[in-house]
Amino acid sequence: GENVEQHPSTLSVQEGDSAVIKCTYSDSASNYFPWYKQELGKRPQLIIDIRSNVGEKKDQRIAVTLNKTAKHFSLHITETQPEDSAVYFCAAGGSNYKLTFGKGTLLTVNP
Amino acid sequence: GAVVSQHPSWVICKSGTSVKIECRSLDFQATTMFWYRQFPKQSLMLMATSNEGSKATYEQGVEKDKFLINHASLTLSTLTVTSAHPEDSSFYICSALSWGSGTQETQYFGPGTRLLVL
Repeated sequence: GENVEQHPSTLSVQEGDSAVIKCTYSDSASNYFPWYKQELGKRPQLIIDIRSNVGEKKDQRIAVTLNKTAKHFSLHITETQPEDSAVYFCAAGGSNYKLTFGKGTLLTVNP
Repeated sequence: GAVVSQHPSWVICKSGTSVKIECRSLDFQATTMFWYRQFPKQSLMLMATSNEGSKATYEQGVEKDKFLINHASLTLSTLTVTSAHPEDSSFYICSALSWGSGTQETQYFGPGTRLLVL
C-alpha cells in the first residue's frame, strides 16, 4: 500500500518568515496530494491540493509543489502569521479516493 | 466548501456498551464516506470506506464486526463501536467525498467525535 513520509515533525519559525514542509510517497499510481491544517481538537481543514498533472499551485501565501519523478511534494507558507500555528498533514490519494496521511508537522509561528 | 457534520461531538460510555456515531453531508450527496481514527498527537488512520447501498470495505487490521458501518442514504453514514473497551477511546472523524462542479473529488471532514470508554 501507499506510504507517506512527512518532515519535519515540528517546525518553529518567526512571524513573517517562510515555512516549508516536505512529503514523500511510495505509490507511483497516486495522483492526488492534499494538505490539511488541523487545530487542536478540530477537524482537518483542506488548505490546498495538487493533482498529478500540475507541478505547482499557489493560493495567496500558500503554495504546493509536486515532483512526480522523485515522488515528493512540498508545502510552502510565506509571510507566516501566528494564526498559521497548527498541525499540518500531507496526504496522497489514488483512483480509489482513499487518502494516506503523513504523520503531521506541528508548526509554531512565534510573534 | 462542502459541509459535513458529526453527532455526537463527544461521548462517554461504560466498557461493554455500544456507541453509534453519525456522519452527515449537509449540502451535497456523498456516495462515498470514510471513517478515520486519530489517537492523541498522531495522524489520521483510515478505518474503512463507506459506500452508499453496499457493504463497507475495511482497512487491514480493523475488525468489521466491532466497527459496524451503515451507509443507508446519500447523506448519512453511521459507525457503531460495539462492545467498546477503553482501548477504543479515540477521536473518530468521518469525511465525505464531494465532486464539486467537475470531475475532481475532494474529501471534506466532519468535526470529529471524541469517544471515552470507562
